[in-house]
Amino acid sequence: SYELTQSLSVSVAQGQTARITCGGNNIGTKNVHWYQQKPGQAPVLVIYRNYHRPSGIPERFSGSNSGNTATLTISEAQAGDEANYYCQVWDSSTVVFGGGAKLTVL
Amino acid sequence: QVQLQESGPGLVKPSETLSLTCSVSGGSMYSYYWNWIRQPPGKGLEWIGYVHSSGSTNHNPTLNSRVTMSLDTSKRQFSLNLSSVTAADTAVYFCARGDWFDYWGQGIPVTVSS
Repeated sequence: SYELTQSLSVSVAQGQTARITCGGNNIGTKNVHWYQQKPGQAPVLVIYRNYHRPSGIPERFSGSNSGNTATLTISEAQAGDEANYYCQVWDSSTVVFGGGAKLTVL
Repeated sequence: QVQLQESGPGLVKPSETLSLTCSVSGGSMYSYYWNWIRQPPGKGLEWIGYVHSSGSTNHNPTLNSRVTMSLDTSKRQFSLNLSSVTAADTAVYFCARGDWFDYWGQGIPVTVSS
């Protein structure tokens, strides 16, 4: 079965750029979607189809996908960006989530 | 504005069947995947399965044949049955729409315990 690998935690200084990666075999051939989840809340879609932003998501959030790594980039990180971030793909008509990465804004 | 809302019992006994319903308001019920996702306490997201508006279904193979899902477009609801539950099925259960999950329910906590 297909697996997605995310770093458990990522730290960034406030105002700097955070990069959260999602590794998978030839993930660049798949569409990757990203979710932000804050404690006690449902996840929120922040990037779909690799780099598209849903309405209401700040331009500070961007995505890329190539080779074996997809990346969610958060520019000018704010305290409110502290959350768990999950990547997601479809493989063989099933959904696969990454294990999630906790973003800490220092 | 699309909204999803899960409903069902918050406590299920071991070996019994967990049954949840997701009610959808706003938007079309057609041409979408309607998904169930769960999150055990302190852990990550786990996809359970989908029912498509065409009636097709698919589920996480790790759940074997315990999963049954259905869709009732006239009631604007879709449902999940998970049989033979154990403590490992204790989780917050979410419903969500689409290929990428653009709308989610708020989640319903379900505990499996006698």
